[in-house]
Amino acid sequence: GAVVSQHPSRVICKSGTSVKIECRSLDFQATTMFWYRQFPKKSLMLMATSNEGSKATYEQGVEKDKFLINHASLTLSTLTVTSAHPEDSSFYICSASRDGGTSGRRGETQYFGPGTRLLVL
Amino acid sequence: DQQVKQNSPSLSVQEGRISILNCDYTNSMFDYFLWYKKYPAEGPTFLISISSIKDKNEDGRFTVFLNKSAKHLSLHIVPSQPGDSAVYFCAASADAGGTSYGKLTFGQGTILTVHP
Repeated sequence: GAVVSQHPSRVICKSGTSVKIECRSLDFQATTMFWYRQFPKKSLMLMATSNEGSKATYEQGVEKDKFLINHASLTLSTLTVTSAHPEDSSFYICSASRDGGTSGRRGETQYFGPGTRLLVL
Repeated sequence: DQQVKQNSPSLSVQEGRISILNCDYTNSMFDYFLWYKKYPAEGPTFLISISSIKDKNEDGRFTVFLNKSAKHLSLHIVPSQPGDSAVYFCAASADAGGTSYGKLTFGQGTILTVHP
């Protein structure tokens, strides 16, 4: 159990267009989903945290109007990169947390998707 | 500002020997540390964790050591197996109440290759 999928796995788009990436928890309900970005040879950088039915909390330096996050259900969160530019090219990875944060354990129940490679031309 | 660093991009080990992966952190507010393992085309999966109140946690072939004074942790795998070949990420979190739950700061990862 605890499988998280992402779609698409790879996308190429033209500069100025918008791209939507989906993150789904396939066999559990995710109260919280996280979106990360990874540059080559760099660490995963948290972009935002989203809870179902509420607005996402963005990390400092992340443009919320550029990276739109929607967590409409307990199994689906979407990240839309609006008006994409070549510098947005990166590896985007989501994770879904199964518990509500009351277990005292942090990170163990955060399940990651396989990631989406975005290339903006 | 890289708060969690894995200074070795790669490590090569012979099967049966010990693999030691290192991780350093700078933020003294971190009080929980985790190691994740990542295979190609898959997301990272949780491997082992340690709280700052401990200095060692063991789970089968995997042991994590924490040296708070040095702000350093390491993952020992013994004996190493070819199936352990993967990218290993260390991650840290700080408990600042409910708002920080699950918020992880990752290192850059170390590619481990275990040769038969």
